[in-house]
Amino acid sequence: QKEVEQNSGPLSVPEGAIASLNCTYSDRGSQSFFWYRQYSGKSPELIMFIYSNGDKEDGRFTAQLNKASQYVSLLIRDSQPSDSATYLCAVNWDQGGSEKLVFGKGTKLTVNP
Amino acid sequence: KAGVTQTPRYLIKTRGQQVTLSCSPISGHRSVSWYQQTPGQGLQFLFEYFSETQRNKGNFPGRFSGRQFSNSRSEMNVSTLELGDSALYLCASSLDWGSTDTQYFGPGTRLTVL
Repeated sequence: QKEVEQNSGPLSVPEGAIASLNCTYSDRGSQSFFWYRQYSGKSPELIMFIYSNGDKEDGRFTAQLNKASQYVSLLIRDSQPSDSATYLCAVNWDQGGSEKLVFGKGTKLTVNP
Repeated sequence: KAGVTQTPRYLIKTRGQQVTLSCSPISGHRSVSWYQQTPGQGLQFLFEYFSETQRNKGNFPGRFSGRQFSNSRSEMNVSTLELGDSALYLCASSLDWGSTDTQYFGPGTRLTVL
């Protein structure tokens, strides 16, 4: 069973701080990693994806991947109250040539003004 | 460009009934995936359709089925509903089969089974 683990939180940070969200996965063969944001009552929206070891930056968001440790993280710099949401980590699983996404249960982030 | 649309948005059914949910992908997208989201299990993959064929399937019982039409629209059916089927059902469209990096979710259908 392919698993993606996230700390459910809630994670609470003050406005302007760095929020750090972590995710571990069980399938060493996974090649693609995704972070989705889901506001309460809304559907998930893709924030970032990362394929290679190291960091990938997009505005205030940085995704970090360490395949040897089977670990992926998302850093949110200068956190804003509008960043308050549940963040879902997703990892691709190749089932004999067809891919599907396996999601973690999400970390709820609250940014306090 | 219009996003993914799902109908109905809310649905209340009783145990033993069946239900059909509909999903229209983004124009030009040919693959539709379905997910179930519950507080306890999170977001779980149901199946993926491409070119009117099921290409991938998650670990759900046979009561859950789907189909895709020639215009890429997809329907999902759940027969003999159980209380545990209460969930948010999300569909996601992508350009091609297995294109997980271009997957966009619809607003979901909230199903309540009484």
